[in-house]
Amino acid sequence: EDQVTQSPEALRLQEGESSSLNCSYTVSGLRGLFWYRQDPGKGPEFLFTLYSAGEEKEKERLKATLTKKESFLHITAPKPEDSATYLCAVQAKGGGADGLTFGKGTHLIIQP
Amino acid sequence: SAVISQKPSRDICQRGTSLTIQCQVDSQVTMMFWYRQQPGQSLTLIATANQGSEATYESGFVIDKFPISRPNLTFSTLTVSNMSPEDSSIYLCSVGSGNNEQFFGPGTRLTVL
Repeated sequence: EDQVTQSPEALRLQEGESSSLNCSYTVSGLRGLFWYRQDPGKGPEFLFTLYSAGEEKEKERLKATLTKKESFLHITAPKPEDSATYLCAVQAKGGGADGLTFGKGTHLIIQP
Repeated sequence: SAVISQKPSRDICQRGTSLTIQCQVDSQVTMMFWYRQQPGQSLTLIATANQGSEATYESGFVIDKFPISRPNLTFSTLTVSNMSPEDSSIYLCSVGSGNNEQFFGPGTRLTVL
């Protein structure tokens, strides 16, 4: 059974204080690992897809990396508008299953 | 990416009743999915909505409780039947793209009294 575990559950940072969010996963065969941002009362907003170990992607203050067992979402010099819940999900290969398996998310608060 | 809308955005329902949630996409898509996000829990896939055929349900979800329609490539509905307070949740539809990415609608917040 595919599993995704995110840590920490919650993280409070000062504006400008860089940090990393962790996503550990087990999957029979990885088709893709996805990062989303979710603001209160809204649907998840797509950020990144990573397909293979060693891959990295960047968008503004966010950088996602992938190994064979985990992914990190690095946030550099965050601003208050980066406050949100960040979700990690995996998609397994084969079997015709295209749905995503999600972690519970990391609730990130950036204080001015 | 596609623009996805859901109706209603929220509702409060009585135990034993049913609610149908609509998902509309502004372009034709092959893959559509329905998820549930219960308080403090991760998003959980309910089913894949297949156009022209029966939906494919995940373990723990059954058609009698969550009937799904997919009449065309831009629209789907999810019905939550015979509701109980445990069905209180956010229900989300998503659409798949050619490179396996999924984009989500704004969600429907359901409260069952």
